[in-house]
Amino acid sequence: SQQGEEDPQALSIQEGENATMNCSYKTSINNLQWYRQNSGRGLVHLILIRSNEREKHSGRLRVTLDTSKKSSSLLITASRAADTASYFCATDVSTGFQKLVFGTGTRLLVSP
Amino acid sequence: EAQVTQNPRYLITVTGKKLTVTCSQNMNHEYMSWYRQDPGLGLRQIYYSMNVEVTDKGDVPEGYKVSRKEKRNFPLILESPSPNQTSLYFCASSLAGFTGELFFGEGSRLTVL
Repeated sequence: SQQGEEDPQALSIQEGENATMNCSYKTSINNLQWYRQNSGRGLVHLILIRSNEREKHSGRLRVTLDTSKKSSSLLITASRAADTASYFCATDVSTGFQKLVFGTGTRLLVSP
Repeated sequence: EAQVTQNPRYLITVTGKKLTVTCSQNMNHEYMSWYRQDPGLGLRQIYYSMNVEVTDKGDVPEGYKVSRKEKRNFPLILESPSPNQTSLYFCASSLAGFTGELFFGEGSRLTVL
């Protein structure tokens, strides 16, 4: 099963509304990252939050991390139609070699 | 412009016909990897490379080969493609190891008939 799982799987909102996506993971991490993917395109890194951080901001993005609950949330404020994309969380895992493991993503649709 | 370039972007082929998907990065990154993306399964790592001539298997390496003869290039080779390799493939590179920020290519959509 996935290390990181996003919730909800799909989210549909109107422009101007806030969008919140959640990610839960199973094992301890050093960092958690969020990526964005426009339909069929490559993933783009949005933000990285370390395990000793609780909150991080980047423009209209706000990421929180709760290591006690093994969960993270991505908040996009004042959504725009251009924010329509899939959003993935990725966590680092150590299985003899460190790597990122991606969740299955949240599909966000922002309607004008 | 810093980028990861994959070719081809789209390919339809037939079972058994060898193909290579090229990947090149211009950021002097040591770490490169290949992922495949399938509906409901997310991104799964196929192979990775920590440096020239250093490669290793990821989670789903069966049916694939890679090589790393130069730092900038990391081709993915399908010696005898099968329909279950129909997928969207991504190459990624990283400066700070595999748990740092990954830079992805635009993807290569492969269909094996």
